[in-house]
Amino acid sequence: AQTVTQSQPEMSVQEAETVTLSCTYDTSESDYYLFWYKQPPSRQMILVIRQEAYKQQNATENRFSVNFQKAAKSFSLKISDSQLGDAAMYFCAKCRDTPLVFGKGTRLSVIA
Amino acid sequence: DTGVSQDPRHKITKRGQNVTFRCDPISEHNRLYWYRQTLGQGPEFLTYFQNEAQLEKSRLLSDRFSAERPKGSFSTLEIQRTEQGDSAMYLCASSFGGQGEQYFGPGTRLTVT
Repeated sequence: AQTVTQSQPEMSVQEAETVTLSCTYDTSESDYYLFWYKQPPSRQMILVIRQEAYKQQNATENRFSVNFQKAAKSFSLKISDSQLGDAAMYFCAKCRDTPLVFGKGTRLSVIA
Repeated sequence: DTGVSQDPRHKITKRGQNVTFRCDPISEHNRLYWYRQTLGQGPEFLTYFQNEAQLEKSRLLSDRFSAERPKGSFSTLEIQRTEQGDSAMYLCASSFGGQGEQYFGPGTRLTVT
């Protein structure tokens, strides 16, 4: 079975600082898609960023960027200039024409 | 475009009762997914549809669970003879194709007493 591992159950960051959330995954496929989703407390899951495995360039969305290391099967999320609204559970997920496989999540706290 | 909607948002039921949840996907999306999320965990896949065809079911989906998407639009998830272990958040998501991003609804929180 394919697995996605998030080794940091909890992280904290000072407001305006930068934080990196880690994710590793297991796959035998060469073409797939990776995602980071954000789930604020008692609110619905929203997509933060997406990376296609065939693209070497790391995806960026405003303050959010990824470091995709295909050989190492690593997909970390960097949040720059952290804001109070970034506090949430963050889930790493993978798919390839299949349902998403999620990690267990990292709870991010932002300290004012 | 109003996004993915789910109804009800909360359901409290007694053990042994049947419950049914509804999901309305984004209108142009042909794929619809059901996931289950327990406290402190990531969502786990249950089943998914492409149009009206149910393409895959997880081993998590016991015989007490059934899902339909009769006209390729909305979907229902029914749980028969509920057990306390069924207590969870049931999430619905939709996408256009298999490589498209999945958009999630707000979920239905089920509590079995």
